[in-house]
Amino acid sequence: QSALTQPASVSGSPGQSITISCTGTSSDVGGYNYVSWYQQHPGKAPKVIIYDVSYRPSGVPDRFSGSKSGNTASLTISGLQAEDEADYYCSSYTSSSTVVFGGGTKLTVL
Amino acid sequence: EVQLLESGGGLVQPGGSLRLSCAASGFTFSNYAMSWVRQAPGKGLEWVSAMSGSGGSTYYADSVKGRFTISRDNSKNTLYLQMNSLRADDTAVYYCAKAQVVSPRDYWGQGTLVTVSS
Repeated sequence: QSALTQPASVSGSPGQSITISCTGTSSDVGGYNYVSWYQQHPGKAPKVIIYDVSYRPSGVPDRFSGSKSGNTASLTISGLQAEDEADYYCSSYTSSSTVVFGGGTKLTVL
Repeated sequence: EVQLLESGGGLVQPGGSLRLSCAASGFTFSNYAMSWVRQAPGKGLEWVSAMSGSGGSTYYADSVKGRFTISRDNSKNTLYLQMNSLRADDTAVYYCAKAQVVSPRDYWGQGTLVTVSS
């Protein structure tokens, strides 16, 4: 199972919006509405910020939103804040009943 | 308060074995699937394995199938990962996480470092 494809890095200024893409295949992202997004700050454990494509766990600001079209899922962060600077990973359930992660995207807040 | 506490990591030689534990508290452990995810130094996340709440279903990444075994003791609220035939590329921080079927979800442990080296 190949890793999902994410851009290595994205950047934005405070207050702006950014979008991170996550591309898979019909055997994972495109086949199921089980895409999750995780935020990881340096030295910390990952934290889920989106699950099942577009659902936010309680406590996650509504500045974070998720969507999917075909084999590509997207995470959008609006009203960018300094504390959003982190690594972001997508994951998807697969047809093999496993999970595949993306390679990760480093978000820099300028 | 939900807590997941991994233990058992350390330095092991190639070909050796190690058993990781994840002690859970703050939720009804037997009601939830659990998963293991690892992260090699400076690298991304890799899903390793998952197990249903009852322990009746197990799932593995191809990279560890046949070498790693996930198990749980619901009477002790503890998840395990038995790792055999360890290789250098198994070196990583191993996290346990509460799961939805196989997908890691809302609670993760702090991780335990496994280093495979001679």
